[in-house]
Amino acid sequence: DQQVKQNSPSLSVQEGRISILNCDYTNSMFDYFLWYKKYPAEGPTFLISISSIKDKNEDGRFTVFLNKSAKHLSLHIVPSQPGDSAVYFCAARSRGNDYKLSFGAGTTVTVRA
Amino acid sequence: NAGVTQTPKFQVLKTGQSMTLQCAQDMNHNSMYWYRQDPGMGLRLIYYSASEGTTDKGEVPNGYNVSRLNKREFSLRLESAAPSQTSVYFCASGQGAFYGYTFGSGTRLTVV
Repeated sequence: DQQVKQNSPSLSVQEGRISILNCDYTNSMFDYFLWYKKYPAEGPTFLISISSIKDKNEDGRFTVFLNKSAKHLSLHIVPSQPGDSAVYFCAARSRGNDYKLSFGAGTTVTVRA
Repeated sequence: NAGVTQTPKFQVLKTGQSMTLQCAQDMNHNSMYWYRQDPGMGLRLIYYSASEGTTDKGEVPNGYNVSRLNKREFSLRLESAAPSQTSVYFCASGQGAFYGYTFGSGTRLTVV
């Protein structure tokens, strides 16, 4: 039973516009949430994270929002650039769980010129 | 700075053959992990090692074994490969929740 769900397998956005990626979770014990970016034939790379005690974290063009009551988080990329075309994974860690991460299925983002 | 190094990058096995995937990290991380990535399934945890000398099962451990050889190295062994083990395998290491893991570049395994 997947505890982290990314219900949109793909997203297409025009260069310069905003990309919004969504992620839902079911486990109320999750205390850290992370986003990873993956290019073909490479391993995932860490992008941004947020603690469950916060509702927003920003790093340059990337902002992650957390809505604990809805068990929902989102990643905003503004403005989108061609180099942002990749697969994005949402991940979450359960409190006191040996730092194990549970991952969603991923969303493939394509930024159109 | 190598980070996490996985070998081999590609492998084709026949059903029933065995092999070991190697992983080494040079970041002095305590925790190491093996994940598999399948289409539509995301990354699923096979086994992990929270510290040198310990290993534990993840979500999908059946058909696999692991060895934490020392703090740097964590290997994954398939004793008798099956077509269902065709996947991309990623090794990762980590130290702390906020920055997550560092992943290797993956091993693409095909079992025929």
